[in-house]
Amino acid sequence: AQRVTQPEKLLSVFKGAPVELKCNYSYSGSPELFWYVQYSRQRLQLLLRHISRESIKGFTADLNKGETSFHLKKPFAQEEDSAMYYCALRPGNTGKLIFGQGTTLQVKP
Amino acid sequence: NAGVTQTPKFQVLKTGQSMTLQCAQDMNHNSMYWYRQDPGMGLRLIYYSASEGTTDKGEVPNGYNVSRLNKREFSLRLESAAPSQTSVYFCASSVPDYQLETQYFGPGTRLLVL
Repeated sequence: AQRVTQPEKLLSVFKGAPVELKCNYSYSGSPELFWYVQYSRQRLQLLLRHISRESIKGFTADLNKGETSFHLKKPFAQEEDSAMYYCALRPGNTGKLIFGQGTTLQVKP
Repeated sequence: NAGVTQTPKFQVLKTGQSMTLQCAQDMNHNSMYWYRQDPGMGLRLIYYSASEGTTDKGEVPNGYNVSRLNKREFSLRLESAAPSQTSVYFCASSVPDYQLETQYFGPGTRLLVL
């Protein structure tokens, strides 16, 4: 079965603390994984994709095929990082995305 | 460019009523999608359209129908609304570049079915 699991509904940290939003996936093929973010009163938007190996707004995510994980990390959280974060899997050569349940990140001052 | 637009922003229906959610994009994208967002469930794909003239079911298609009117527009219809369809509905579009796939989302439609 194709599935994305984000085990934490809410992650609350203080400004300056490290952040790790967990994402685990289930997929038999070679996965393509993404992180999308929804800031308050804004549209859902792409944050980063694993294939690009990029760092966006200080966030990085490494695909670990052995652990079937794609955790999102940032060494020092900022208040403006507070948002809902979704991990998503694209199975095969389709445009469809399978989203996780989402994690709300709350960064306290 | 407006990107992806959705109408209406908010709607209240009674059980059994019908309505159509409208979505349009001005980015010349081939693919379009309808999702619903529910607390604790994330976004779930209802229907998608890989190109003009084609539509396919997603994860939760029951109770919905779609029409890909042209390349720009992709509508979602609820023929007989049920309280279980209370949700936030998002439309998205993308260019099917399998290396750089990015979906662009609309602002959402909040639907309350009483």
